[in-house]
Amino acid sequence: EADIYQTPRYLVIGTGKKITLECSQTMGHDKMYWYQQDPGMELHLIHYSYGVNSTEKGDLSSESTVSRIRTEHFPLTLESARPSHTSQYLCASSESRAAGGGGYTFGSGTRLTVV
Amino acid sequence: AQSVTQPDIHITVSEGASLELRCNYSYGATPYLFWYVQSPGQGLQLLLKYFSGDTLVQGIKGFEAEFKRSQSSFNLRKPSVHWSDAAEYFCAVGAAAGGYQKVTFGTGTKLQVIP
Repeated sequence: EADIYQTPRYLVIGTGKKITLECSQTMGHDKMYWYQQDPGMELHLIHYSYGVNSTEKGDLSSESTVSRIRTEHFPLTLESARPSHTSQYLCASSESRAAGGGGYTFGSGTRLTVV
Repeated sequence: AQSVTQPDIHITVSEGASLELRCNYSYGATPYLFWYVQSPGQGLQLLLKYFSGDTLVQGIKGFEAEFKRSQSSFNLRKPSVHWSDAAEYFCAVGAAAGGYQKVTFGTGTKLQVIP
């Protein structure tokens, strides 16, 4: 079944640790995105990619980095986690049309807590 | 710059009652409009989308939305709410912006359904 998968679902980690949040999709979508979501706030785009070897920063400044070596895989890495990184991280993908033409398909999210 | 306003943070309705969730957008041209639903601990799921044509859009789970250009609105409706509709609902507007197709999300409306 075509879908988008995020692992882990929940992560509690100590300050200063390096972490990688995984995101994979089996729909063959060219475009992938990482959003940060906090309660009562709009979703903030932190990274996006329009294809292999293409990555851009989004609207919200983030200390994380991403890579897109394969179409289906779009991991997000934090080199040194801090409590301010505590949030829910959502990965999404879409087909190559204008303005998320077909809409986004979202993963279930990773809830990160940095202690 | 585009923006989305969801004026209702929280709405409570009785099961079987009708529902309308409000969404107002700001954008200079005809926008792409979306409604997403998020159940607790999950990612967002696309309910419906509007690009052009018929201003009344049908979506999944019995939802519909009407695009009203004169009011810059895209309200979500359902004639009879089920307990399983309890979730958070996000309106989003998409537009092209200098080669990057930007989607802006509202802050969400949390729906509670009472027996």
